[in-house]
Amino acid sequence: QKEVEQDPGPLSVPEGAIVSLNCTYSNSAFQYFMWYRQYSRKGPELLMYTYSSGNKEDGRFTAQVDKSSKYISLFIRDSQPSDSATYLCVKTDKLIFGTGTRLQVFP
Amino acid sequence: GAGVSQSPSNKVTEKGKDVELRCDPISGHTALYWYRQSLGQGLEFLIYFQGNSAPDKSGLPSDRFSAERTGGSVSTLTIQRTQQEDSAVYLCASSLDPGEQFFGPGTRLTVL
Repeated sequence: QKEVEQDPGPLSVPEGAIVSLNCTYSNSAFQYFMWYRQYSRKGPELLMYTYSSGNKEDGRFTAQVDKSSKYISLFIRDSQPSDSATYLCVKTDKLIFGTGTRLQVFP
Repeated sequence: GAGVSQSPSNKVTEKGKDVELRCDPISGHTALYWYRQSLGQGLEFLIYFQGNSAPDKSGLPSDRFSAERTGGSVSTLTIQRTQQEDSAVYLCASSLDPGEQFFGPGTRLTVL
């Protein structure tokens, strides 16, 4: 079992939809998690990070960590075509990246 | 300001040849990372530099892979006797250690 599991998608949604992207992790040695966004043929860029259980909000994006179930989520409200990218969750104690979920938001 | 740059952007080579990939980190960033990204595999950590030293080489897949960093700045990842399974995008990132990693655009390596 991989330490970080992520559904590769693609996830295709209409503009304006609420998007839920999820990761699960298997090792409880926990520092903090990050979400990176990667556009096609570009390097990943940091989107959000979270240190503890609960929610962290930044504009249309909300990151959520549930340590009891080892579940990490990223929610995108009012999704836009410009949100179309691959989203990678990262467990930072060993720099373990998920495989990424490819999101497509169509107009 | 300038971000992380990598060269070449694309490299096509024949099986068995050696390749060198270069990374120029953001000026002042003490930490430098190399990753490999294969289709459907996510990012695979290769090596981490703090200054010129590499405290963590655990991700290098074989002894054909090596990396060095000079002057606390530029880093070179060398792959000797390339194999087809080495084909991937090689990404470099730098950071103020600890801190957010800033990634370069990657080098797409194709081994024929």
